[in-house]
Amino acid sequence: GQNIDQPTEMTATEGAIVQINCTYQTSGFNGLFWYQQHAGEAPTFLSYNVLDGLEEKGRFSSFLSRSKGYSYLLLKELQMKDSASYLCAVRDFYSSASKIIFGSGTRLSIRP
Amino acid sequence: DVKVTQSSRYLVKRTGEKVFLECVQDMDHENMFWYRQDPGLGLRLIYFSYDVKMKEKGDIPEGYSVSREKKERFSLILESASTNQTSMYLCASRSPSEGYTFGSGTRLTVV
Repeated sequence: GQNIDQPTEMTATEGAIVQINCTYQTSGFNGLFWYQQHAGEAPTFLSYNVLDGLEEKGRFSSFLSRSKGYSYLLLKELQMKDSASYLCAVRDFYSSASKIIFGSGTRLSIRP
Repeated sequence: DVKVTQSSRYLVKRTGEKVFLECVQDMDHENMFWYRQDPGLGLRLIYFSYDVKMKEKGDIPEGYSVSREKKERFSLILESASTNQTSMYLCASRSPSEGYTFGSGTRLTVV
């Protein structure tokens, strides 16, 4: 079966760094995504990892370890606008159309 | 930029009504998806389609059907709306090498 775990809520301070962890179990791993979702809006794509290691994109970085079934999203120099839910999602290789399975999301609150 | 357009942002329907949710994408993607999102449950896949007239059930297809007559359009149908189908519905489109691009969502309330 498939399972994705991430913390439900996190709080961090403006200007600081926060790391959001995600662990997954899937029958056929074929890539991991991170999405950002502001309240009442649709998710927007942040990052995609298919190989082990760190992918950096501005203030956001995403790390993947396939052997551990583990990823994290690192947000630096936090801004108030980073308050949002962050969704970890895994692509399942063995299903037709390679469907993507989403975790329940981590709601991140930034305090001044 | 890929654009995925959902026809309605907010809908209120009565129990038992047949409801159509429309989704259109403009990037010639083969794969399209319908999800619903509920607090604490995350995004759950209802149906997806990998080609015109092709459809496959997701994790929670009961009470729903879909139609893909043209590549750019993927419709979700609630055959007889019930109150437990009150939710945020999200349509997505995907290219082979990328993640999803989502529409802005339809918040459906069934009364």
